[in-house]
Amino acid sequence: NAGVTQTPKFRVLKTGQSMTLLCAQDMNHEYMYWYRQDPGMGLRLIHYSVGEGTTAKGEVPDGYNVSRLKKQNFLLGLESAAPSQTSVYFCASSLGGPYNEQFFGPGTRLTVL
Amino acid sequence: AQSVTQLDSQVPVFEEAPVELRCNYSSSVSVYLFWYVQYPNQGLQLLLKYLSGSTLVKGINGFEAEFNKSQTSFHLRKPSVHISDTAEYFCAVSDRGTSYDKVIFGPGTSLSVIP
Repeated sequence: NAGVTQTPKFRVLKTGQSMTLLCAQDMNHEYMYWYRQDPGMGLRLIHYSVGEGTTAKGEVPDGYNVSRLKKQNFLLGLESAAPSQTSVYFCASSLGGPYNEQFFGPGTRLTVL
Repeated sequence: AQSVTQLDSQVPVFEEAPVELRCNYSSSVSVYLFWYVQYPNQGLQLLLKYLSGSTLVKGINGFEAEFNKSQTSFHLRKPSVHISDTAEYFCAVSDRGTSYDKVIFGPGTSLSVIP
């Protein structure tokens, strides 16, 4: 089992460019999440999904969009990148429910110039 | 609203010494509590979690944590650290009564083990 994988691992964008981050999990989890990690701020939830075809906003959704067309994949899109979106992005998945652990991918380091 | 405080942003400790990483939370309802560890250039992985029952929870790699409801704390401890314990540690909390599993993460504590 690969667990949770993320593509790409690194990316540099110019302001205004767009890109999509791909997350895939092979654990048949219903719930998937996108977080951003910034120094001294821990992880902040961007968007999440409770099942195929569903998405919902998290704590910091502005400037991002997501899609969950297949249960195993969760895509995060930046339509017009800004320097404030420079961060490390983590995808996670879980069985669901507030008591279950989340399984994290290795992260994508994004720099917006 | 929920929040998680980790008072120590950085904790240096000598190898084989004990360590305690502090976590306090605020919530108006009962909670589930978690500690995650992030090794350099990796994603987070679960160390341990408190759901119910005994307030002393044991996790992987010799770590344990104690839930103190009156002090709203969930401090992480290890009696003797190794170089390999150098990592970022995150405390996290989720509400028992929520309809979805939104987890609030603390800002993290960087543990550096000195040889």
